[in-house]
Amino acid sequence: ETGVTQSPTHLIKTRGQQVTLRCSSQSGHNTVSWYQQALGQGPQFIFQYYREEENGRGNFPPRFSGLQFPNYSSELNVNALELDDSALYLCASSRDRANTGELFFGEGSRLTVL
Amino acid sequence: GDSVTQMEGPVTLSEEAFLTINCTYTATGYPSLFWYVQYPGEGLQLLLKATKADDKGSNKGFEATYRKETTSFHLEKGSVQVSDSAVYFCALPNYGGSQGNLIFGKGTKLSVKP
Repeated sequence: ETGVTQSPTHLIKTRGQQVTLRCSSQSGHNTVSWYQQALGQGPQFIFQYYREEENGRGNFPPRFSGLQFPNYSSELNVNALELDDSALYLCASSRDRANTGELFFGEGSRLTVL
Repeated sequence: GDSVTQMEGPVTLSEEAFLTINCTYTATGYPSLFWYVQYPGEGLQLLLKATKADDKGSNKGFEATYRKETTSFHLEKGSVQVSDSAVYFCALPNYGGSQGNLIFGKGTKLSVKP
């Protein structure tokens, strides 16, 4: 069983640029959630995708957007990067959108904005 | 709204010491409760869970009991090892918001010295 994989693992961008982060969900999982984890903080929910549709969103501005593909992989796009966007971005998959609280996380993509 | 409060870290212990990490929650109703662990350089993984009052979740020598009266879910281990060094997050599902949203505490960093 393949786990959740994310790419890239590390990247550096400058303010105003755009970034795309990618996630492959665990085999058999159709729901993907994205979280932002600032240094020393707990993960903050960005949004969730279920069967290619956004299925909920946290308190993040519209410049954070996403996609889910027919194979349930997902992308997180962030436009007009700001210094505060520097964080670890975690992707998590689950078997369905029912909120059991059991999520399977990838190792994350660490974004540094200069 | 719902929230989770964890004891502040970091916590530094010697090998074989007893560990307690406090977690209290505020929620409507009686949600499931979770402990997630993040080892250095890795994503989060579910450590244990409890789905109803008085349930005890356990895994890898860690235990936590769901206490409705005190709204607590403290994590304990009788004898920690160096390999337990990690960041521990208490979490509960956010049924009031979007589905699949886990509310995390800020995390407690544990360092175990040989």
